[in-house]
Amino acid sequence: GAVVSQHPSRVICKSGTSVKIECRSLDFQATTMFWYRQFPKQSLMLMATSNEGSKATYEQGVEKDKFLINHASLTLSTLTVTSAHPEDSSFYICSAARQGLPYGYTFGSGTRLTVV
Amino acid sequence: GQQLNQSPQSMFIQEGEDVSMNCTSSSIFNTWLWYKQEPGEGPVLLIALYKAGELTSNGRLTAQFGITRKDSFLNISASIPSDVGIYFCAGQDNNNNDMRFGAGTRLTVKP
Repeated sequence: GAVVSQHPSRVICKSGTSVKIECRSLDFQATTMFWYRQFPKQSLMLMATSNEGSKATYEQGVEKDKFLINHASLTLSTLTVTSAHPEDSSFYICSAARQGLPYGYTFGSGTRLTVV
Repeated sequence: GQQLNQSPQSMFIQEGEDVSMNCTSSSIFNTWLWYKQEPGEGPVLLIALYKAGELTSNGRLTAQFGITRKDSFLNISASIPSDVGIYFCAGQDNNNNDMRFGAGTRLTVKP
């Protein structure tokens, strides 16, 4: 149990366009999901906390108008990178919090975004 | 914010050797977790620790939650080539319901 599906796994887009990344909890309901960004050979940096039915909470320094998060259901959160620039190229990973023990989150398989 | 210091940054070992890595924090966590990440994939949970002093094993992996709640270690015994990857510690403050990661330990195992 506790499977999280992330789609797409890879995407290449042109500068100025928008890209949507989906994160789905397949066999459990997730009231809270998290979005991380990871640069090569670096750790995961929390971007925002996505709460079902309410606004996302963004970490300091993350532009909420650029990284739009929507958590419209208990099994789906989406991250939209708007007006993408080459510096937005990165590995984006979502995770979902499953209620109750064990604590800790299940991660999606990540999305490699390349902006050209 | 809470800072996690993970060491070593990288390790190059021979197959069969034991491995040890650790994390320390400037503040207390309620839960410590250890993840492994392989290239192009998301992290996979290896071990979760829920109380100070707890020692938990998962096959050849053993992890402990430090008594002070500010540190944790992960040991891998008799390493094999498939142990290659990046190992991350993570601390969770259940009050905040978020998780912070260490910088990772990149493990290379030579056959």
